[in-house]
Amino acid sequence: GEDVEQSLFLSVREGDSSVINCTYTDSSSTYLYWYKQEPGAGLQLLTYIFSNMDMKQDQRLTVLLNKKDKHLSLRIADTQTGDSAIYFCAESPNSGYALNFGKGTSLLVTP
Amino acid sequence: KAGVTQTPRYLIKTRGQQVTLSCSPISGHRSVSWYQQTPGQGLQFLFEYFSETQRNKGNFPGRFSGRQFSNSRSEMNVSTLELGDSALYLCASSLGATSEQYFGPGTRLTVT
Repeated sequence: GEDVEQSLFLSVREGDSSVINCTYTDSSSTYLYWYKQEPGAGLQLLTYIFSNMDMKQDQRLTVLLNKKDKHLSLRIADTQTGDSAIYFCAESPNSGYALNFGKGTSLLVTP
Repeated sequence: KAGVTQTPRYLIKTRGQQVTLSCSPISGHRSVSWYQQTPGQGLQFLFEYFSETQRNKGNFPGRFSGRQFSNSRSEMNVSTLELGDSALYLCASSLGATSEQYFGPGTRLTVT
């Protein structure tokens, strides 16, 4: 299938905001997800947005969706060192039940 | 509510052998999906089961197979292991097709 694109690396200072961007491929995707993976662990579902929404806020997390440009972003406010991990964007195309993942963005938070 | 559990967590096998991995979904979830994660290819979909039926399959050779039991537990099997099968195998469960998927911790398979 086509690729979900993410930048590979992001470094921020503790207390700053982080913005992780993603470009997805399937305009019919019903849900778009953000997952977090810490070293040696599985994927933790952080948040998701339904395709008829533009924005979703959940505590320190804000998801923005631009359907016209097929662009999804995850903003983490007041980033902490515990937020250091790999963040995956995933789309859920209507045509099946498989999630199509990006390669992941490695977030490094420095003190 | 307990999360998705996968056993074993780590496995070392030799080329040519076969392996079976197990996944127990969150209670009440009837859909189980399997993914392979490697540094080179990232996360790739293997297959999805719902009510003991395979509904979707990714682009993997026939050496990769799976099944789901009546209690929604799922197993995947890889026969004639190759070095390239070394990966983290992740299982995810969901209520249904369009529901969010929750992942287990994965099984780290090393083929030598």
